[in-house]
Amino acid sequence: GAVVSQHPSWVICKSGTSVKIECRSLDFQATTMFWYRQFPKQSLMLMATSNEGSKATYEQGVEKDKFLINHASLTLSTLTVTSAHPEDSSFYICSGLAGPVGQFFGPGTRLTVL
Amino acid sequence: EDQVTQSPEALRLQEGESSSLNCSYTVSGLRGLFWYRQDPGKGPEFLFTLYSAGEEKEKERLKATLTKKESFLHITAPKPEDSATYLCAVQVDAASKLTFGTGTRLQVTL
Repeated sequence: GAVVSQHPSWVICKSGTSVKIECRSLDFQATTMFWYRQFPKQSLMLMATSNEGSKATYEQGVEKDKFLINHASLTLSTLTVTSAHPEDSSFYICSGLAGPVGQFFGPGTRLTVL
Repeated sequence: EDQVTQSPEALRLQEGESSSLNCSYTVSGLRGLFWYRQDPGKGPEFLFTLYSAGEEKEKERLKATLTKKESFLHITAPKPEDSATYLCAVQVDAASKLTFGTGTRLQVTL
């Protein structure tokens, strides 16, 4: 299957700082990537849809100024959590759309904000 | 509003004890139903895509089926390594967005 990587796999930061998470499709081109957030023992909640070369589309309730998404190439999308606070601590997962087969997910990034 | 409900929430099986997981959905128009496996602290791993009622797909000890209202993931003679959370998700629009169920946590013991 298609492979998606994320970096870093975990990060700890202080409240008020910004954190950037990278999502790469390693063996396919992903014109569309998705960003999800997952709290403990809960399912994945879609945050935004990222299309290469255009602005991301955010789901209702997700602050676009807080979660900045950039999809600069067909293999890379980044999520920047700006002015992070403890309530932003979560497991962030990206996926790349591999044609009609569907989405393939990265391994996730555990963010802890102190 | 599109809804996806999975049951049971948790399931404990002994090795070799076959069972089924359920995914019920209420959507405006189904384009595809997806099954994923998720291990703790990891991203979901793709298992199956089903597109139309009556469709079935198999992979090792897993078999997924689809009706107009629900999907089943049948696990035959499970092994401890099958322990994971199984997620189903539905795609209802051309933008390929997925709506996930809350998952079934499966534990297979010796």
